[in-house]
Amino acid sequence: KAGVTQTPRYLIKTRGQQVTLSCSPISGHRSVSWYQQTPGQGLQFLFEYFSETQRNKGNFPGRFSGRQFSNSRSEMNVSTLELGDSALYLCASSSGLADANTGELFFGEGSRLTVL
Amino acid sequence: AQSVTQLDSQVPVFEEAPVELRCNYSSSVSVYLFWYVQYPNQGLQLLLKYLSGSTLVKGINGFEAEFNKSQTSFHLRKPSVHISDTAEYFCAVSRRGGYQKVTFGTGTKLQVIP
Repeated sequence: KAGVTQTPRYLIKTRGQQVTLSCSPISGHRSVSWYQQTPGQGLQFLFEYFSETQRNKGNFPGRFSGRQFSNSRSEMNVSTLELGDSALYLCASSSGLADANTGELFFGEGSRLTVL
Repeated sequence: AQSVTQLDSQVPVFEEAPVELRCNYSSSVSVYLFWYVQYPNQGLQLLLKYLSGSTLVKGINGFEAEFNKSQTSFHLRKPSVHISDTAEYFCAVSRRGGYQKVTFGTGTKLQVIP
């Protein structure tokens, strides 16, 4: 069974640009969560999508957005990039079903974004 | 809302020595508890989880953790560490019931010294 796939793995952007990151969950998983990881801040929850609907949202500005497609693949977008957006962006999938929820997440290897 | 506190940001330990990584959580309702490990340039992978039942949970790579409800703690232990255990460890909590987001601690970097 294939794991969670994130693309691209590494990217460099300049301030003011925008970026789109992609995540393909484990087959059968309908929930995709996104986290931002920076040194000292740990993992900060961005948002979670389930069946194409945003179900949970963290405390990030509107420049951070996401969506989920009918095949459960998800994308997140960051517009007007700032230096502070440099981070490892992690995607995690789970079944997302209430009756199967144990909170366990399956992570991809992340997309490392550097903003210059 | 729930929160997780990992008091130690870095823990150096000699190879073959025991180690304990501390985790405390705060929640007004019952929770599930997790420890994840992150090796350099990789995503997180589940080390162990407490859902219910025995408060002593065994995970992969010889790690174990004990759920202490009265102290709201879920400390991770290993009796003898190996160089390959050098990684960052994250404690996480999720509320029981329905679907809830998972909240992570800030992580503890375990450095095993040869």
